[in-house]
Amino acid sequence: EDQVTQSPEALRLQEGESSSLNCSYTVSGLRGLFWYRQDPGKGPEFLFTLYSAGEEKEKERLKATLTKKESFLHITAPKPEDSATYLCAVGVRGSTLGRLYFGRGTQLTVWP
Amino acid sequence: NAGVTQTPKFRVLKTGQSMTLLCAQDMNHEYMYWYRQDPGMGLRLIHYSVGEGTTAKGEVPDGYNVSRLKKQNFLLGLESAAPSQTSVYFCASSYPWQRQETQYFGPGTRLLVL
Repeated sequence: EDQVTQSPEALRLQEGESSSLNCSYTVSGLRGLFWYRQDPGKGPEFLFTLYSAGEEKEKERLKATLTKKESFLHITAPKPEDSATYLCAVGVRGSTLGRLYFGRGTQLTVWP
Repeated sequence: NAGVTQTPKFRVLKTGQSMTLLCAQDMNHEYMYWYRQDPGMGLRLIHYSVGEGTTAKGEVPDGYNVSRLKKQNFLLGLESAAPSQTSVYFCASSYPWQRQETQYFGPGTRLLVL
């Protein structure tokens, strides 16, 4: 059965303390891996898409990487405004085009 | 562009009442989706549509119906609301060709069923 698992469930960091969030997946074939940010009371906001092992994408303090089994979202020198829930999702080969399977998210809190 | 909009933002229902949630997108996307999000459960797909006039079941379709009469609108209906349908509902849309499967989400509708 295809599955997306995110860890940790919650992470508390002091401002400036770099860390990584993990998204591991067990799917029959990966069509793409997606990272979203979700602020309380709002809808998920798209961050990155990764397609191939070894691929990396960056945006400000965030960097997403992809291997054959997992993806990492690295947060460098985080600020309190980076506090949010980060969601990972995958598109699976052989399933309906456009359908994504989501993990349960990592709730990140960055305190000053 | 407004992107994806949802109406209403918040609603309280009594058990057995019915209601319709409206999703609209102005990005000319072919595909649209309805999810529910519950604490600890993540986003679960209820129904989706791959084009005007088409709908399909997702992961948790029971108790919901949908319609896609116009390309830009996707309606989610609850015929007889139950407390288990208390949740936050998100609509999303995408244009999933040429490696563009990114889904764009609306702001959500909070539904409380008493």
